[in-house]
Amino acid sequence: GNSVTQMEGPVTLSEEAFLTINCTYTATGYPSLFWYVQYPGEGLQLLLKATKADDKGSNKGFEATYRKETTSFHLEKGSVQVSDSAVYFCALTPGYGNNRLAFGKGNQVVVIP
Amino acid sequence: DAEITQSPRHKITETGRQVTLACHQTWNHNNMFWYRQDLGHGLRLIHYSYGVQDTNKGEVSDGYSVSRSNTEDLPLTLESAASSQTSVYFCASSESLDRGYEQYFGPGTRLTVT
Repeated sequence: GNSVTQMEGPVTLSEEAFLTINCTYTATGYPSLFWYVQYPGEGLQLLLKATKADDKGSNKGFEATYRKETTSFHLEKGSVQVSDSAVYFCALTPGYGNNRLAFGKGNQVVVIP
Repeated sequence: DAEITQSPRHKITETGRQVTLACHQTWNHNNMFWYRQDLGHGLRLIHYSYGVQDTNKGEVSDGYSVSRSNTEDLPLTLESAASSQTSVYFCASSESLDRGYEQYFGPGTRLTVT
């Protein structure tokens, strides 16, 4: 089946530090990959996406590259801010005619001033 | 601006009661989804609909039902609420089934079953 695995546990880091959140996936065919962000008390919103191998999604200083050879879509940001504190979800949709999202469990990111 | 709204935002109910959570979108999207969010599980799909009169079960559909009588609304009903259904519920919609189309999420409903 289709599934997404995110690294375990919350991530706590200082302002201006480098952020990496690992995401690997299992899917048949050619999935589309997404990172969603959830700020406190809000719903999820799309952060970035990639629809084919080697595509790089980017937004608000965040980047992730679709790596088919390692089935990964790791999220990175070079210098985090306190306002980046949120929960980050990696997700995929399997392919044509099926856009049901499969989510990872999410990672709480806390940025300390 | 188009949006997706959910009501109520917070609900406390008793075990055994029927509860309906509303979801309304003004995107005119055919595809709508209900998820529940629980610590340690991420988001899990409850039900989804690809158009009026179409409904489908997701991975955690037991104890829930939906109906789709128009494009804008997909209410979620808990037939007989159980404590295991205490959760945060999110509704989402999407323009297309084609690859890469994002889902737009509502603000969520926090449901507590006592």
